[in-house]
Amino acid sequence: SQQGEEDPQALSIQEGENATMNCSYKTSINNLQWYRQNSGRGLVHLILIRSNEREKHSGRLRVTLDTSKKSSSLLITASRAADTASYFCATVDSGGGADGLTFGKGTHLIIQP
Amino acid sequence: DAGVTQSPTHLIKTRGQHVTLRCSPISGHKSVSWYQQVLGQGPQFIFQYYEKEERGRGNFPDRFSARQFPNYSSELNVNALLLGDSALYLCASSLVGGTWLHNEQFFGPGTRLTVL
Repeated sequence: SQQGEEDPQALSIQEGENATMNCSYKTSINNLQWYRQNSGRGLVHLILIRSNEREKHSGRLRVTLDTSKKSSSLLITASRAADTASYFCATVDSGGGADGLTFGKGTHLIIQP
Repeated sequence: DAGVTQSPTHLIKTRGQHVTLRCSPISGHKSVSWYQQVLGQGPQFIFQYYEKEERGRGNFPDRFSARQFPNYSSELNVNALLLGDSALYLCASSLVGGTWLHNEQFFGPGTRLTVL
């Protein structure tokens, strides 16, 4: 079963604008990860944030985590056409991850040139 | 270095048949996980193998099975295929399994299975 939901389901913005995607989850987690998927192919790991962290940056990516609200956000600044993809959050439960990554349904991001 | 490789890329089967999908992890990675991604959904965890032993299993029927070989490559087998098994099957490798404090997963390109 899916852990939670990404919001919005789809997002279309102009190149150069910032894109924000939100993720909610249901259980206690060890860490939360964001992945990108292009055209239904393999997923690319973007960033991992641990349950004791509140914010993390990687290049144009900024991730926040609020464990009290069981939510995370991914911000992509200065978007580019190449950022067009589906973005998924995935959680590892606090039990250690033997149950694998639990993914949301994803946000489909379209960057218009 | 080569990333995670999967074969075949695409596969078409009919209901009732069985299928074997293959995955080779990144060199040095000892853990392989399998995921099923139905169109429009996020991936769902099927199995995790580490050091040739099953370490985790998702909510999938017994028609699904897997194994890991001494070279850490892995096979996913699905018997008695149903139309609902049509999906993208993703393999992911990581350095270790079990406790995932720093465990980034590296995904292969997937195998697209269509069941007619």
